[in-house]
Amino acid sequence: GENVEQHPSTLSVQEGDSAVIKCTYSDSASNYFPWYKQELGKGPQLIIDIRSNVGEKKDQRIAVTLNKTAKHFSLHITETQPEDSAVYFCAAIFSGYSTLTFGKGTMLLVSP
Amino acid sequence: GAVVSQHPSWVICKSGTSVKIECRSLDFQATTMFWYRQFPKQSLMLMATSNEGSKATYEQGVEKDKFLINHASLTLSTLTVTSAHPEDSSFYICSADVAGGPSYEQYFGPGTRLTVT
Repeated sequence: GENVEQHPSTLSVQEGDSAVIKCTYSDSASNYFPWYKQELGKGPQLIIDIRSNVGEKKDQRIAVTLNKTAKHFSLHITETQPEDSAVYFCAAIFSGYSTLTFGKGTMLLVSP
Repeated sequence: GAVVSQHPSWVICKSGTSVKIECRSLDFQATTMFWYRQFPKQSLMLMATSNEGSKATYEQGVEKDKFLINHASLTLSTLTVTSAHPEDSSFYICSADVAGGPSYEQYFGPGTRLTVT
């Protein structure tokens, strides 16, 4: 079946460094790719998303890039802060479906 | 905007009893609501999709008679765990899709921690 692979599973960075999380997907017709941040004991929060007709999208310190040919998309966080520490999930909508398929998550730890 | 609430935030119940969890979209109407469960340190697993006024669509392996879903209005969906057992203990999260078209944007509630003793 269709799936989303997410790497790395854990990522430790120093405050101020950049963090990059990458996801690959199997369905070339996928057209929606959101990223969610989940803090401990809370529900996921949509932080940024991108659609298949766009290659890059930025929102302050967060950006997402999409490479449709290679079927991968990445989350970029610049100038990381301790409050960025959380689990980040990528997801995709596969063609013919309206449900999200999630990656397994990346635990990001930003050390002060 | 796009706020989703869940109630209760946590619940402890005895084995064999039923528990109802509410999911509400507070500032928008939701064509579709989704129910997920999440085990510690794992990803979200979709349980079912519900559309207002129609029966829910359950994912493979999810017992529809055990996890009853009702989507009574464009702002409220409920999940009832019937005859709960300890293995049903989990973090249950709902999400809602904004009504009016296939935007695909889903907004999640804060989750409900269910513990069955």
